[in-house]
Amino acid sequence: EPEVTQTPSHQVTQMGQEVILRCVPISNHLYFYWYRQILGQKVEFLVSFYNNEISEKSEIFDDQFSVERPDGSNFTLKIRSTKLEDSAMYFCASHLRPTDTQYFGPGTRLTVL
Amino acid sequence: AQSVTQPDIHITVSEGASLELRCNYSYGATPYLFWYVQSPGQGLQLLLKYFSGDTLVQGIKGFEAEFKRSQSSFNLRKPSVHWSDAAEYFCAVATNNAGNMLTFGGGTRLMVKP
Repeated sequence: EPEVTQTPSHQVTQMGQEVILRCVPISNHLYFYWYRQILGQKVEFLVSFYNNEISEKSEIFDDQFSVERPDGSNFTLKIRSTKLEDSAMYFCASHLRPTDTQYFGPGTRLTVL
Repeated sequence: AQSVTQPDIHITVSEGASLELRCNYSYGATPYLFWYVQSPGQGLQLLLKYFSGDTLVQGIKGFEAEFKRSQSSFNLRKPSVHWSDAAEYFCAVATNNAGNMLTFGGGTRLMVKP
């Protein structure tokens, strides 16, 4: 069964450094998402992406964040200058149509020191 | 804006006992409703979903959920819990707009006693 994959599984970085989290959505999917989950808290929406542009973004997704689909398979989340409070599990999700289930990747745990 | 409330942060049940996890949502129209399960250190796995039609939906692992519009609820049930069901359960709601983001509840952590 096709699945969403994410790399790396765990990223440790110093405050102020740039990080890029990578996702490979399911191949025929058209809608892509990033969510995050701070330890012990609920999953929060960050951004949705369709047709090579952002469809919707939350208040969390400020100008330190950006997303890109650089080729036909990868979907990346970049944090330009990481802060301690960016430490969280970041999940990528995708689906083919808006009415479909979103399939989630296993997540990348980001630790900012 | 939509919101989801899961009133129970922790629930402990004995193995073999029945289970009901509560979920209430706030949204002006009929939303799309989901239950996801997260095992420790793992991602989110879909248990079941409701889009339209029959208000009682069946999912994987023997779970079911019932959409009650009058109560704005979508409670998750299982008649007999197994030790492997211990996990965190998230209810989520989506609208059918272009962004279609999922809004999650705070989660319910299920512990299963032998």
